[in-house]
Amino acid sequence: LAKTTQPISMDSYEGQEVNITCSHNNIATNDYITWYQQFPSQGPRFIIQGYKTKVTNEVASLFIPADRKSSTLSLPRVSLSDTAVYYCLVAQGQAGTALIFGKGTTLSVSS
Amino acid sequence: DTAVSQTPKYLVTQMGNDKSIKCEQNLGHDTMYWYKQDSKKFLKIMFSYNNKELIINETVPNRFSPKSPDKAHLNLHINSLELGDSAVYFCASSQSGLAGGDTQYFGPGTRLTVL
Repeated sequence: LAKTTQPISMDSYEGQEVNITCSHNNIATNDYITWYQQFPSQGPRFIIQGYKTKVTNEVASLFIPADRKSSTLSLPRVSLSDTAVYYCLVAQGQAGTALIFGKGTTLSVSS
Repeated sequence: DTAVSQTPKYLVTQMGNDKSIKCEQNLGHDTMYWYKQDSKKFLKIMFSYNNKELIINETVPNRFSPKSPDKAHLNLHINSLELGDSAVYFCASSQSGLAGGDTQYFGPGTRLTVL
């Protein structure tokens, strides 16, 4: 089971690009990398998922180097509403895989 | 048209009581999950059902018992509640049982407080 390490917290200002890196040194061949966002008093919400290289959607980009031992979630031009906890999940794409989200990174965006 | 719903949203009870939390999803997904999130935001899987069959059963006290009457519902029953059970419990669902490769949709959570 791949263990992930993320910064506990990050601060940013509106309009800036924010990059949150997740370390997963013992990632397995079958593991996917998924990022979730959680606002206070709400359940986590899927942001983006990748296996290797770069993935981009309307919300964020996910950069994964060739060795896949880390990944970086990039949020372009953050706003106050991006203040949330961001979780990096590394887990296998097969039934019965245990899932541990860890403690996440609390992002605080100020004006 | 809530995708994943949970009831109740808040639950306050005394130690030793038995309580249940209900979860329903209207997404047509095959797999449902129960997570526990403690006060430090640590989010951990407890159980997972795929088409009413238990596929993930993490190390949790046997006071916790999930029940899936059909693939749209996954309830969590907790016996003999303890102070340490206080947490937020999230239900989630996904299309298939491919845990890591599947997008999970979470409910709003149930905040359980044991006094």
